[in-house]
Amino acid sequence: DAGVIQSPRHEVTEMGQEVTLRCKPISGHDYLFWYRQTMMRGLELLIYFNNNVPIDDSGMPEDRFSAKMPNASFSTLKIQPSEPRDSAVYFCASSLWFSDSNQPQHFGDGTRLSIL
Amino acid sequence: TQLLEQSPQFLSIQEGENLTVYCNSSSVFSSLQWYRQEPGEGPVLLVTVVTGGEVKKLKRLTFQFGDARKDSSLHITAAQPGDTGLYLCAGLITDKLIFGTGTRLQVFP
Repeated sequence: DAGVIQSPRHEVTEMGQEVTLRCKPISGHDYLFWYRQTMMRGLELLIYFNNNVPIDDSGMPEDRFSAKMPNASFSTLKIQPSEPRDSAVYFCASSLWFSDSNQPQHFGDGTRLSIL
Repeated sequence: TQLLEQSPQFLSIQEGENLTVYCNSSSVFSSLQWYRQEPGEGPVLLVTVVTGGEVKKLKRLTFQFGDARKDSSLHITAAQPGDTGLYLCAGLITDKLIFGTGTRLQVFP
């Protein structure tokens, strides 16, 4: 079975540019999560969706970040305008019914973003 | 605010040694998960512990959930180079999974 698919794997761009990260969750999963990982702050939850609806976006750092989930098989995380401090590895994860505490989150391989 | 502190942050050991990684918090969790992450990949679930005092074994790995469900430990017996990676604990509070600061393990042959 295909896992969580993220694209691109690597993105290098200049500050001020718009960046769009993409995620295809595992088919049938109800929940989708966006995380950011840095050496300084570890793995941080940015936002998560349940059945395509954003539930909690309190982790989104500022208005330059936005996320959408137009359907059950696709989500985007957009940064506009991008800044060097946004450089990090961004992960997407999906899971089944998350209130069941035994359900794992399945992570993609991440997008390594570098803002110059 | 980082709710889950892991120790040690870094650990370099020789093959065959034993080690323990700790995950501590002042918060009570509904459950706690341990993940391992290898370079260039996302974290992968190792185990979930749910009940206070619960102990789970996965081959040479032993996981324990504290009685008060605020802390957990991971013990590896006879570590092997294949155990190298970043180990992350993650506690479930209401509807969020809060990840720990991570322990980076390097096992040398």
